[in-house]
Amino acid sequence: SQQGEEDPQALSIQEGENATMNCSYKTSINNLQWYRQNSGRGLVHLILIRSNEREKHSGRLRVTLDTSKKSSSLLITASRAADTASYFCACRSQGGSEKLVFGKGMKLTVNP
Amino acid sequence: DGGITQSPKYLFRKEGQNVTLSCEQNLNHDAMYWYRQDPGQGLRLIYYSQIVNDFQKGDIAEGYSVSREKKESFPLTVTSAQKNPTAFYLCASSLIGGGTEAFFGQGTRLTVV
Repeated sequence: SQQGEEDPQALSIQEGENATMNCSYKTSINNLQWYRQNSGRGLVHLILIRSNEREKHSGRLRVTLDTSKKSSSLLITASRAADTASYFCACRSQGGSEKLVFGKGMKLTVNP
Repeated sequence: DGGITQSPKYLFRKEGQNVTLSCEQNLNHDAMYWYRQDPGQGLRLIYYSQIVNDFQKGDIAEGYSVSREKKESFPLTVTSAQKNPTAFYLCASSLIGGGTEAFFGQGTRLTVV
């Protein structure tokens, strides 16, 4: 079963606008990660947030984590056409297992 | 350069044949993973390994087999028991301990002809 579920499944915006993606998960986690995938390629790690963190920034990326609601959001500010890709959240559950489970992903299109 | 390499990039298989996908990493990572991705879909975990000579089934292990004889290598065999093997296969690796990112290969696209 997939741990993370991204919402919305697809988003189309204009360059310069902000893009927000949400991820919900089911079980207690050790950390939550966001990845990006260009079409037909492997995934690239963007940012990791631990279960005891509430917010993290990296460049134009801002991630929040609400463990009480079992949800996370990824905000991309001042989007660029090059941000067009699929974005995935992934969870590592608590308990010491290295199992890493991904959501179904969200397709972001940034129009020039 | 350190990285994770999958080969081949494209693979064609006749129905009823087994085929093995290669995944090699020189990042000194203990954990390795295999995922399957269908068009427009997310990644589903097939198998993962936390240490040499040990591996665990993921969510869709039926019809697949793996081995982990070396730390650097985690080959995936798609057997004839896998009824719908056409997909994009991704291999990943990471350090163990939970608080680290995974590094992905560029994928192998398998097509049954």
